[in-house]
Amino acid sequence: NAGVTQTPKFQVLKTGQSMTLQCAQDMNHEYMSWYRQDPGMGLRLIHYSVGAGITDQGEVPNGYNVSRSTTEDFPLRLLSAAPSQTSVYFCASSSGGEPGELFFGEGSRLTVL
Amino acid sequence: AQSVAQPEDQVNVAEGNPLTVKCTYSVSGNPYLFWYVQYPNRGLQFLLKYITGDNLVKGSYGFEAEFNKSQTSFHLKKPSALVSDSALYFCAVRDRGTTLGRLYFGRGTQLTVWP
Repeated sequence: NAGVTQTPKFQVLKTGQSMTLQCAQDMNHEYMSWYRQDPGMGLRLIHYSVGAGITDQGEVPNGYNVSRSTTEDFPLRLLSAAPSQTSVYFCASSSGGEPGELFFGEGSRLTVL
Repeated sequence: AQSVAQPEDQVNVAEGNPLTVKCTYSVSGNPYLFWYVQYPNRGLQFLLKYITGDNLVKGSYGFEAEFNKSQTSFHLKKPSALVSDSALYFCAVRDRGTTLGRLYFGRGTQLTVWP
């Protein structure tokens, strides 16, 4: 079972560059989300989606864009990378049933120089 | 507003001893509560959840958690710690009235079990 798959696992960017973190799930989950994890900060929600074509902002959305054209995929775009976006990014999905525990990918470690 | 507090950044216990990782929460309504574990360089893995009913919830790997509504706490416990339990533990909460799957996480507690 693949579950939630994130690519790439590691990425180094220069300030101002753009990139897309990919996330795919094969569990037919309606809900998908992106978190960033920073030391001492826990996990903070960036964007989330409750279904194809529907996205919304989380706690820290600035500098990030998302789209949800299919149920399976939920890419996260950094349009102009900044050093403050150096972090570990996690994609997570959840089924439509309550209470909605999340299934996480393995993470993508991004460094912005 | 929803929030989760994990008051201890680190918990150290000897193998074989009981362990407790503390969590308190603040939500406007009735909560769903979760514990997740993260091993080095891995994603978070679901351990257990509280939905309703019995205040003592049993989960994976011998862990359990006690829900206390009056103290708004959901402490993670294990009767006998293993070295392999060493990891980062996160408590998470969701108000039942909010968006499905939108969890709020604590900052995490690093558990170290020494031999």
